[in-house]
Amino acid sequence: NAGVTQTPKFRILKIGQSMTLQCAQDMNHNYMYWYRQDPGMGLKLIYYSVGAGITDKGEVPNGYNVSRSTTEDFPLRLELAAPSQTSVYFCASSDHIRTGTTDTQYFGPGTRLTVL
Amino acid sequence: QKEVEQNSGPLSVPEGAIASLNCTYSDRGSQSFFWYRQYSGKSPELIMSIYSNGDKEDGRFTAQLNKASQYVSLLIRDSQPSDSATYLCAVSSSASKIIFGSGTRLSIRP
Repeated sequence: NAGVTQTPKFRILKIGQSMTLQCAQDMNHNYMYWYRQDPGMGLKLIYYSVGAGITDKGEVPNGYNVSRSTTEDFPLRLELAAPSQTSVYFCASSDHIRTGTTDTQYFGPGTRLTVL
Repeated sequence: QKEVEQNSGPLSVPEGAIASLNCTYSDRGSQSFFWYRQYSGKSPELIMSIYSNGDKEDGRFTAQLNKASQYVSLLIRDSQPSDSATYLCAVSSSASKIIFGSGTRLSIRP
């Protein structure tokens, strides 16, 4: 199992450009998440998905969009990049065994994004 | 008040000693509690999960949960240099809501 994979590992964008961060998992997990982590800070939830075709906003969704057409893939789209979006982005997935609460999340290696 | 609070550190502990990491949370409806370890430049990885009051031990790690005091801790016995990392406390109150603390930086000195 590759687990959770993310591409690219690094990217530099100019202000106003757009890009898609790719995320895939091969563990057949229903739940997938996108987080951003700013230096010295914890993780903030951008968007999450509880299954193919179902997505919802997290704590900091502005400036981002997601889609979930398959169980395996959960891409994150940045439209009109801004310097405030400079961060490390982590994708995660989890199974859903416990009712009403979150199970262990497995994280991808991250994408380090700089917007200049 | 932050939803999940941790002392940012750095916490410096001599090799072989016990490291004690603490976390408080504000949502009394929280049901799941996690400790993740994050090495510099790497992604978080799960160390411990705990769901009920009391202690849970796994090797050198012990997680302690006290829901009445809204407090969760992680003890690392026989600390090793490889334990030097940032430890993130995470708390969940629903299937989708999980809040991470800002992390405590732990340094094990030889």
